[in-house]
Amino acid sequence: AQSVTQPDIHITVSEGASLELRCNYSYGATPYLFWYVQSPGQGLQLLLKYFSGDTLVQGIKGFEAEFKRSQSSFNLRKPSVHWSDAAEYFCAVGARSSNTGKLIFGQGTTLQVKP
Amino acid sequence: EADIYQTPRYLVIGTGKKITLECSQTMGHDKMYWYQQDPGMELHLIHYSYGVNSTEKGDLSSESTVSRIRTEHFPLTLESARPSHTSQYLCASSQVKGQRQYFGAGTRLSVL
Repeated sequence: AQSVTQPDIHITVSEGASLELRCNYSYGATPYLFWYVQSPGQGLQLLLKYFSGDTLVQGIKGFEAEFKRSQSSFNLRKPSVHWSDAAEYFCAVGARSSNTGKLIFGQGTTLQVKP
Repeated sequence: EADIYQTPRYLVIGTGKKITLECSQTMGHDKMYWYQQDPGMELHLIHYSYGVNSTEKGDLSSESTVSRIRTEHFPLTLESARPSHTSQYLCASSQVKGQRQYFGAGTRLSVL
């Protein structure tokens, strides 16, 4: 069955520290991969996406993610976290062959930033 | 970034009332989606649409219904609201290719 796993439900980092949020997927073939961020009471904003090509993708707000096919992972990173990065982060996958455009979302990781 | 709008943002209503959550997008996207999200939890797809006059149920069973009479409009209706319907409802749209979904700000529904 297709699934997305974000192993860390809650992460706390100090402001200025580096960050890595994990995402693993189970899929028949390499899917499209996304990271979204959700601030409290808001919708989801796309941080970055992987379709093909370079496995290290750059996104907005200084985030990047690396696709590792051998590990079925798409981990999100940021070298120096800012207090405004505190939010909920969702990894999502979509089938390349899908006509529906449906995405499967992970459970989300809540990021707390300590001053 | 995205031209997708949801109204109302917040709704508190009594049990048994009929409600309609509005979702509109101005990007001309064919595909639209409704998700249900409890606080701090993952998103569950409850309805989606390929285009006008096409709707399908999602992965999570829902008592709500949807319609797609116009490309830009995808309202969700609950005929008789219950406390178990209390949740946040997110609307999204996407183009045919690329699969990226654009999200509205959501409607937070509380049924008393």
